[in-house]
Amino acid sequence: AQKVTQTQTSISVMEKTTVTMDCVYETQDSSYFLFWYKQTASGEIVFLIRQDSYKKENATVGHYSLNFQKPKSSIGLIITATQIEDSAVYFCAMREGATSSGQKLVFGQGTILKVYL
Amino acid sequence: NAGVIQTPRHKVTGKGQEATLWCEPISGHSAVFWYRQTIVQGLEFLTYFRNQAPIDDSGMPKERFSAQMPNQSHSTLKIQSTQPQDSAVYLCASSTGTNNNQAPLFGEGTRLSVL
Repeated sequence: AQKVTQTQTSISVMEKTTVTMDCVYETQDSSYFLFWYKQTASGEIVFLIRQDSYKKENATVGHYSLNFQKPKSSIGLIITATQIEDSAVYFCAMREGATSSGQKLVFGQGTILKVYL
Repeated sequence: NAGVIQTPRHKVTGKGQEATLWCEPISGHSAVFWYRQTIVQGLEFLTYFRNQAPIDDSGMPKERFSAQMPNQSHSTLKIQSTQPQDSAVYLCASSTGTNNNQAPLFGEGTRLSVL
């Protein structure tokens, strides 16, 4: 069964610094997809970035990038030049690639990020 | 472009009453998902439709919960005889459904409070 674990409950960083949030996953599939979402204070869940398991290069979108370490089943989210508005809860999620698994995402428990001046 | 629309945003029911939650997926999206979010359990998968057909309901409680997608423009989640433990934010998401690498996009959720 697939499982996603985020061990960091909460992180506080100063504005304009870089932060890394950890995520490890478990799957039996050789093909899978990893996603990061952000949930704002209003409750809105926003998709940020995706990593396909078969791609060696780390995904980058704006000031978000991923540190994909496949042998360690790890997918870290890196936010550079953090801003106050990056304060939110960040969720890691995984979808297995096999058709029989359907398309459901399994989420981690989330990491609270607080960015201060 | 409108995102996923969920109504109502908040719903309060008394114990034992029925609650129906509505979701309008993004136009053109063929995959629709329902999730439930609580502080204790986090984000839990409930059920998934593709092209209106139920594909995976492995997360649905066996009793009192049902979901339907009568047409491509809306899906409903019905909870019969609501209980206090059903209190949660119920989230609907949709994606194109063409590839497994497409990220589902979420609605703002319906906060259900069972008194």
